[in-house]
Amino acid sequence: QKEVEQDPGPLSVPEGAIVSLNCTYSNSAFQYFMWYRQYSRKGPELLMYTYSSGNKEDGRFTAQVDKSSKYISLFIRDSQPSDSATYLCAMNQYSSASKIIFGSGTRLSIRP
Amino acid sequence: DVKVTQSSRYLVKRTGEKVFLECVQDMDHENMFWYRQDPGLGLRLIYFSYDVKMKEKGDIPEGYSVSREKKERFSLILESASTNQTSMYLCASSLEGRDGYTFGSGTRLTVV
Repeated sequence: QKEVEQDPGPLSVPEGAIVSLNCTYSNSAFQYFMWYRQYSRKGPELLMYTYSSGNKEDGRFTAQVDKSSKYISLFIRDSQPSDSATYLCAMNQYSSASKIIFGSGTRLSIRP
Repeated sequence: DVKVTQSSRYLVKRTGEKVFLECVQDMDHENMFWYRQDPGLGLRLIYFSYDVKMKEKGDIPEGYSVSREKKERFSLILESASTNQTSMYLCASSLEGRDGYTFGSGTRLTVV
């Protein structure tokens, strides 16, 4: 079993829809949770960063962590065609840089 | 903004060649990483480095080596390229894990 599981998609939704992207994980020691966005032929860029459980909002994006269920989510409100990308969840145990574990990514397409 | 620059976007090499992939970051980050990204397999850590002249094996180091002679530069070396090393190679750097990683744009390597 992988440490981090993420549905690869593809997920296709109409413009303006609310998008929900999710990951589950098995290691209860994970404390830091991230979402990266990767456009085609580019490297991933950090989108959201959260520590422990709870919600974090940044504009149209909300990251949610439920440590009791080992489940994290990224919500995108009022989705735009420019949100079309692959979204990778990531997490690690410590604040040191070692061993950030990445999900395999969900490919998202927003239809105009 | 931190910049991580990978010297080549696309490379085509022959089987058996020695291949050098170069990565430079401009924000004095201690930590640097090399990943490869393949469809369905996600990001896999090859090597990482916490400091100059220090290196540690990641999850898939076989067939690769690295060099970090200066803080800003981290090189990935394929000693004798093979077709199964055809992949997207991503370099990343970070100050601490709590900041996440900053990735380069990637090098798409094809070994023929």
